[in-house]
Amino acid sequence: DQQVKQNSPSLSVQEGRISILNCDYTNSMFDYFLWYKKYPAEGPTFLISISSIKDKNEDGRFTVFLNKSAKHLSLHIVPSQPGDSAVYFCAASGDNTGKLIFGQGTTLQVKP
Amino acid sequence: DTEVTQTPKHLVMGMTNKKSLKCEQHMGHRAMYWYKQKAKKPPELMFVYSYEKLSINESVPSRFSPECPNSSLLNLHLHALQPEDSALYLCASSHYPPNVNTGELFFGEGSRLTVL
Repeated sequence: DQQVKQNSPSLSVQEGRISILNCDYTNSMFDYFLWYKKYPAEGPTFLISISSIKDKNEDGRFTVFLNKSAKHLSLHIVPSQPGDSAVYFCAASGDNTGKLIFGQGTTLQVKP
Repeated sequence: DTEVTQTPKHLVMGMTNKKSLKCEQHMGHRAMYWYKQKAKKPPELMFVYSYEKLSINESVPSRFSPECPNSSLLNLHLHALQPEDSALYLCASSHYPPNVNTGELFFGEGSRLTVL
């Protein structure tokens, strides 16, 4: 039973356009949501997070939106750059143990 | 230095072998983690060490034996593994208590294990 789901395994966008990556969750006890980015042969690196008490968090080209009633979050990248091509993992945390529950990941390809 | 270093990067072992994965960090973190990621699946937590003591074991089979000899090192000892244990093993570290919500969980590149 997967508590965090990313239903799109891949996404391809043109450079300069918006990339929208989606994530759904089932556990209403999650209080933080995070996005990690992973290049091949590297470990995941933190990108941006959002608390469950907020509906939007912005950091440069990256914005995460949270819809608690729909148990849905999305990551917007504007404008998309070829260097953004990577696997993006959505993750959730609901306690202070450091445990993260990850989604399956979405592979983003940004074409020049 | 914000690196978590894992060795070896690749490991092939037979089901009767005994091998170890190693992880090292020098960020002064007192929490260290092992995650396992199978192909096309999300990373899943295996173990958490806090202050060199095992604080979380996610019902991992005993053929995986973690060890935290000091605050900078984390090992994963492997014995009598099965082919289905083939996966990418990711080490991570953070301060304790962990503030993972602001991204203070740093991952290594992973050790890719193949069990024949």
